[in-house]
Amino acid sequence: QKEVEQNSGPLSVPEGAIASLNCTYSDRGSQSFFWYRQYSGKSPELIMFIYSNGDKEDGRFTAQLNKASQYVSLLIRDSQPSDSATYLCAVIGDRDDKIIFGKGTRLHILP
Amino acid sequence: GAVVSQHPSRVICKSGTSVKIECRSLDFQATTMFWYRQFPKQSLMLMATSNEGSKATYEQGVEKDKFLINHASLTLSTLTVTSAHPEDSSFYICSARDWKRETQYFGPGTRLLVL
Repeated sequence: QKEVEQNSGPLSVPEGAIASLNCTYSDRGSQSFFWYRQYSGKSPELIMFIYSNGDKEDGRFTAQLNKASQYVSLLIRDSQPSDSATYLCAVIGDRDDKIIFGKGTRLHILP
Repeated sequence: GAVVSQHPSRVICKSGTSVKIECRSLDFQATTMFWYRQFPKQSLMLMATSNEGSKATYEQGVEKDKFLINHASLTLSTLTVTSAHPEDSSFYICSARDWKRETQYFGPGTRLLVL
């Protein structure tokens, strides 16, 4: 059973600080990794995707991938109250085109 | 801008009626689309995988005769909730795989309320 694990939270971070969201996955053959943001009552919105080991930066967001440790993270710099949402980690395996979602981490940015 | 659209965004119907939800990929061809359901404060639950030109693949516990999926073109998949009951009230979200960009985009969702 392929799994994607996330801490459900809530993770509370002061405004302006760095929010760090973590995710582990069980399928070592996984190749594609995604972070989605979901506001309450809305559908998920793609924030970033990463395929290679290392860091990938896009504005205030940085995705980090460590395939050896089967670990992917999302850093949000200069956190804003509008970043308060549930963040979903998702993984596509090597031989399976099905995207597997974690249950999400609720992030709360404290003004 | 949005790359996947859904229609309608909200629907209220009487128990026993059928409801059709459309999912369209707007700027890419989607051979694979997915249908999810999400209850309040719950995580996304994959219902089925819709493949263009072939039968959908349903997840365990999802009744294929109740949730009819048709993927007749490379840009359109439909989900029909047949003989809807109040327990079918939920947020239904589709997503489409963009193989060229190797990523998956979600539609805005359809909120179904069955009275």
